Amino acid sequence: QQQVKQSPQSLIVQKGGISIINCAYENTAFDYFPWYQQFPGKGPALLIAIRPDVSEKKEGRFTISFNKSAKQFSLHIMDSQPGDSATYFCAASRRNTPLVFGKGTRLSVIA
Amino acid sequence: GAVVSQHPSRVICKSGTSVKIECRSLDFQATTMFWYRQFPKQSLMLMATSNEGSKATYEQGVEKDKFLINHASLTLSTLTVTSAHPEDSSFYICSAPSDTDTQYFGPGTRLTVL
Repeated sequence: QQQVKQSPQSLIVQKGGISIINCAYENTAFDYFPWYQQFPGKGPALLIAIRPDVSEKKEGRFTISFNKSAKQFSLHIMDSQPGDSATYFCAASRRNTPLVFGKGTRLSVIA
Repeated sequence: GAVVSQHPSRVICKSGTSVKIECRSLDFQATTMFWYRQFPKQSLMLMATSNEGSKATYEQGVEKDKFLINHASLTLSTLTVTSAHPEDSSFYICSAPSDTDTQYFGPGTRLTVL
């Protein structure tokens, strides 16, 4: 049973455009929803995270939108740049438990 | 953010040998650390939860006798792949949650078993 479903699997965006990646979860006990960015051969790096008490969180060009009733959350990358090309993973967890990851989205930002 | 290190970053070994991978939290203490495995172009799969001062908790399908985990201190967890075989070749990544529950990942260890 896949607890966190991520889409799309791959995404191509023009430079300057908005990249949108969506995730849906099943376990209503989850209370922590991070997004990680991973470059080839590197470990995942935390981008931004949100807890269910807010519906949106913005850090620079990255925004998480969270819909608790729909059990969905998404990552928006504004003004996408070629350097943003990487694999993005959404995840979810409860306190003191390991993260459950989505399958990842490979983003390519083209000039 | 907090820093988690892993050593070595790459290791190549012969089939049948054992390999130890270290995971350290450099600027915070972690009573729990997690070990993941990642195959090319796939997501991270949790292997086990490392607990300081007690036995590790393994995920279903992960052989505890093959993947030995020791959480020796509040800043160090080790994963030993025993009697490694080519199918154990993978990218192994550890993570540690900080006191704010944010999980920080190490840079990963690329294991190649010949």
